[in-house]
Amino acid sequence: EDKVVQSPLSLVVHEGDTVTLNCSYEVTNFRSLLWYKQEKKAPTFLFMLTSSGIEKKSGRLSSILDKKELFSILNITATQTGDSAIYLCAGDTNTNAGKSTFGDGTTLTVKP
Amino acid sequence: DAGITQSPRHKVTETGTPVTLRCHQTENHRYMYWYRQDPGHGLRLIHYSYGVKDTDKGEVSDGYSVSRSKTEDFLLTLESATSSQTSVYFCAISKGQGYNYGYTFGSGTRLTVV
Repeated sequence: EDKVVQSPLSLVVHEGDTVTLNCSYEVTNFRSLLWYKQEKKAPTFLFMLTSSGIEKKSGRLSSILDKKELFSILNITATQTGDSAIYLCAGDTNTNAGKSTFGDGTTLTVKP
Repeated sequence: DAGITQSPRHKVTETGTPVTLRCHQTENHRYMYWYRQDPGHGLRLIHYSYGVKDTDKGEVSDGYSVSRSKTEDFLLTLESATSSQTSVYFCAISKGQGYNYGYTFGSGTRLTVV
């Protein structure tokens, strides 16, 4: 059975701090690792990672994948209160169906 | 958002009644998914569809059925609702042809079974 584990489950930081969110996976026929941000409503897509060691970056967010050690990290620098959200990672499989196995998420709270 | 809508947004129903949730997309994507989200469990796949009349089960499909008679509509039915099916239900579309470039989710349906 495929499994994705995120840590920590929750995190409280102050504005300006840098945070690192972790995601480890055991996914049969692994193809890609995806990160989403969920605020009050539906998750929104952040990154898709398919190759080891290549950093994806969007503003203050960046992510990298290690396919040998089966994990990914999401970094957020200079955090802002608007970064408060649940961050979800998901493993996608090479099954031509686009199905994903999600982790339980990390709840990030950024205090002013 | 991105042409995917869910209805209803909220529903309260009684144990034992059938319930149908609707997902509608306007972008003609082939792949559609139903997930449920519960505290401590992340998102879990219920059913998915890879075309009209083509559906398959996910990891938590017991007690649910789906239908897709048109490309744009994917219906999720709880055949006889139970309290354990109280959850937030998300529909998602995938823009790739079986390759997940990142889902676009609907706004969700909050279902309460009393």
